[in-house]
Amino acid sequence: SQQGEEDPQALSIQEGENATMNCSYKTSINNLQWYRQNSGRGLVHLILIRSNEREKHSGRLRVTLDTSKKSSSLLITASRAADTASYFCATALTGTASKLTFGTGTRLQVTL
Amino acid sequence: EPEVTQTPSHQVTQMGQEVILRCVPISNHLYFYWYRQILGQKVEFLVSFYNNEISEKSEIFDDQFSVERPDGSNFTLKIRSTKLEDSAMYFCASSVGGGRETQYFGPGTRLLVL
Repeated sequence: SQQGEEDPQALSIQEGENATMNCSYKTSINNLQWYRQNSGRGLVHLILIRSNEREKHSGRLRVTLDTSKKSSSLLITASRAADTASYFCATALTGTASKLTFGTGTRLQVTL
Repeated sequence: EPEVTQTPSHQVTQMGQEVILRCVPISNHLYFYWYRQILGQKVEFLVSFYNNEISEKSEIFDDQFSVERPDGSNFTLKIRSTKLEDSAMYFCASSVGGGRETQYFGPGTRLLVL
């Protein structure tokens, strides 16, 4: 797998349901960040989880990190139509000063 | 809430022309970045900038590209002689610290090279 590969590529759910997106990576990381992108628009930062953390919450978002499996998941609870967007994980690798390496993204569609 | 801004939002140029994309990072941030996203593809890192010099750059960031912080607020990306394959969305980002910190992205400049 590539560094930062999301699964599934696309997800369609109904409003009120939970959405889970997964991200896998290959090398050691400093932190992992999740971003949202509405079609053709900018990247909105959602949450950052550090390599020594296992779980973080922010509102309806829950992120987990399993460094032994090199994977992370993003759970959106009680989804809304406004959550429709692409979601990307981005890793800051150990040893690099600054750059983020983005995954391929999950396209989430929330229908009424 | 402070945010990163970018101008222009759209730019159309002819192949071979020079373009300058402008960004105003968040005011107390010290690290600045450019990324690009070709339509339908991943967001790719181009360059990071700290203390008035490039701290890291990718293979994409060749001699055709340059960055500058001409004053205390702006951060620019120049493409000297644009190619068709430079057509993409270009994002500026900034962070307080380096790669261990949250990077905040601007809304992007959509560049179309004809």
